[in-house]
Amino acid sequence: AQKVTQAQTEISVVEKEDVTLDCVYETRDTTYYLFWYKQPPSGELVFLIRRNSFDEQNEISGRYSWNFQKSTSSFNFTITASQVVDSAVYFCALTNAGGTSYGKLTFGQGTILTVHP
Amino acid sequence: DAGITQSPRYKITETGRQVTLMCHQTWSHSYMFWYRQDLGHGLRLIYYSAAADITDKGEVPDGYVVSRSKTENFPLTLESATRSQTSVYFCASSESVNPPLNTEAFFGQGTRLTVV
Repeated sequence: AQKVTQAQTEISVVEKEDVTLDCVYETRDTTYYLFWYKQPPSGELVFLIRRNSFDEQNEISGRYSWNFQKSTSSFNFTITASQVVDSAVYFCALTNAGGTSYGKLTFGQGTILTVHP
Repeated sequence: DAGITQSPRYKITETGRQVTLMCHQTWSHSYMFWYRQDLGHGLRLIYYSAAADITDKGEVPDGYVVSRSKTENFPLTLESATRSQTSVYFCASSESVNPPLNTEAFFGQGTRLTVV
């Protein structure tokens, strides 16, 4: 069985602070994919990143960065110099590769990030 | 418009009524999914489909029925709505789920369903 845990239910920061959202996952498969999605107040789900289990390179995209560590089964997401527009619910998700997984996503419970001006 | 669209966006229904949530995608993606979002649970998979006429249960299928007669449509029916089915429902589609072509799932805008 797969599981994704986002231990931080809510995080509140002041603009320009750095913030890290934690994600820990469990899976028995050796090949899998990890995702982060953003859900702004408008409600839609916005894809942020996909990471393969065989690629542990960290990734940076503008103010966003992701730290994938297989040894600790973690895929953490850091926002540098946060802005009010970053306020949203962030979801970490996991799917196993191919076979009978069919791309089914297992989501964490979500972390509500509030950035205050 | 290209993309994945859900209708209606908001729905209020009474306990015991049948209600159908619609999902339409224009990409001809093979894989489609229905998730429900509830506070404290994130999103949970209700049903999924690998192709037209191929559907299967997800984590929380009880009380729901799906069909997929055409690739682009994946309606979700609540046969007899209950208050516990009050939730936000998301439809999603994905082009490929097998490496190395695995692609991310694209989500519709969601349908907020209230059962009174």
